[in-house]
Amino acid sequence: GAGVSQSPSNKVTEKGKDVELRCDPISGHTALYWYRQSLGQGLEFLIYFQGNSAPDKSGLPSDRFSAERTGGSVSTLTIQRTQQEDSAVYLCASSRGLLGTDTQYFGPGTRLTVL
Amino acid sequence: KQEVTQIPAALSVPEGENLVLNCSFTDSAIYNLQWFRQDPGKGLTSLLLIQSSQREQTSGRLNASLDKSSGRSTLYIAASQPGDSATYLCAVRDQTGANNLFFGTGTRLTVIP
Repeated sequence: GAGVSQSPSNKVTEKGKDVELRCDPISGHTALYWYRQSLGQGLEFLIYFQGNSAPDKSGLPSDRFSAERTGGSVSTLTIQRTQQEDSAVYLCASSRGLLGTDTQYFGPGTRLTVL
Repeated sequence: KQEVTQIPAALSVPEGENLVLNCSFTDSAIYNLQWFRQDPGKGLTSLLLIQSSQREQTSGRLNASLDKSSGRSTLYIAASQPGDSATYLCAVRDQTGANNLFFGTGTRLTVIP
């Protein structure tokens, strides 16, 4: 079956512009995660959606970052007024949402470069 | 906050060798630990998931062990092949109430033909 897909695969933008990154999770998965992987660093958690519950935004680094999940499926991560330090690979993952037994399935990521 | 460490950061071995990758974590109150592989420019592929009640999991040439009390896990790769070259990441899901995985920075493995 189809895995997690993300678009675009690469995004180059100028400092100060807004960007939107998209994630299509595996069908039927109720949990969706966004992570960021900066050069030479581990994956950093950004935000978590579970069903209709309020999202866990505890990992968002600043108020320039926001995310939505429409209809419990597709998610969009928006970065406003991008900065050079936002350059990273943004990874989306989904899971069945079963605490403790979850396997998270990752998409290929979006490589964001802020000039 | 949970901290995950992987040693070594990079490893090169000749084809056919058996090898061990190490992962340690600071808070032993975890639900599970997961090993992933990441190829350049690609996302993460889940290799093995070990629940907190388990001590090991096996898949083909891979064997992952978990010693929760000491905060350690190892990934054993038998008879390594050039196709095993990738970055290997371990991640834990802990019981602090955080919904996310805590990742190590990975071990970059190169298997030399």
